[in-house]
Amino acid sequence: DTGVSQDPRHKITKRGQNVTFRCDPISEHNRLYWYRQTLGQGPEFLTYFQNEAQLEKSRLLSDRFSAERPKGSFSTLEIQRTEQGDSAMYLCASSGSGQSSYNEQFFGPGTRLTVL
Amino acid sequence: QQPVQSPQAVILREGEDAVINCSSSKALYSVHWYRQKHGEAPVFLMILLKGGEQKGHEKISASFNEKKQQSSLYLTASQLSYSGTYFCGTAAGGYQKVTFGIGTKLQVIP
Repeated sequence: DTGVSQDPRHKITKRGQNVTFRCDPISEHNRLYWYRQTLGQGPEFLTYFQNEAQLEKSRLLSDRFSAERPKGSFSTLEIQRTEQGDSAMYLCASSGSGQSSYNEQFFGPGTRLTVL
Repeated sequence: QQPVQSPQAVILREGEDAVINCSSSKALYSVHWYRQKHGEAPVFLMILLKGGEQKGHEKISASFNEKKQQSSLYLTASQLSYSGTYFCGTAAGGYQKVTFGIGTKLQVIP
């Protein structure tokens, strides 16, 4: 257990429905990342927050995806009008703050999304 | 751009050593190594920074050649628990996104 939690762990939905995932990072971490991982691939970057500011969003990310991190604590990732191609493991990671040069990221257990 | 890992898969007997390589076509600030077991999240192993700093588990060693934009992960005296998929990730800046390779599948057999 890295201290990063995600909810739910599994989500099955029908095509066209909206889904929302939650990530709670390690409490003292101010950076939070969302990744998507499909079978046989490494994690693919989606978006990144420093505190409450969303600093980068993947160009590959459809407008159906949106993420928030109100008050710089937990984050939510919403997918609107889900498609079968959205089926994947959605991973959240957080990393530390301060003056450290290191940016090691600690991953949560992920939310596995299945779109029928 | 995604870093390239080699080999794609390797099978070891307990006690044997292995090296996993990672290369990038872009100038790098940091290289990150993770291990992922089936159905689980990636687990942090090591981070190597431009300039020689590194941080990670005591039993894991790795190198980072900044000029060649290459990194290698050294697994010595392998144990059954080392089995999993190893990912390298690269970042061009201090707090920038990490781009991961497709992984190296390592299986340690008795």
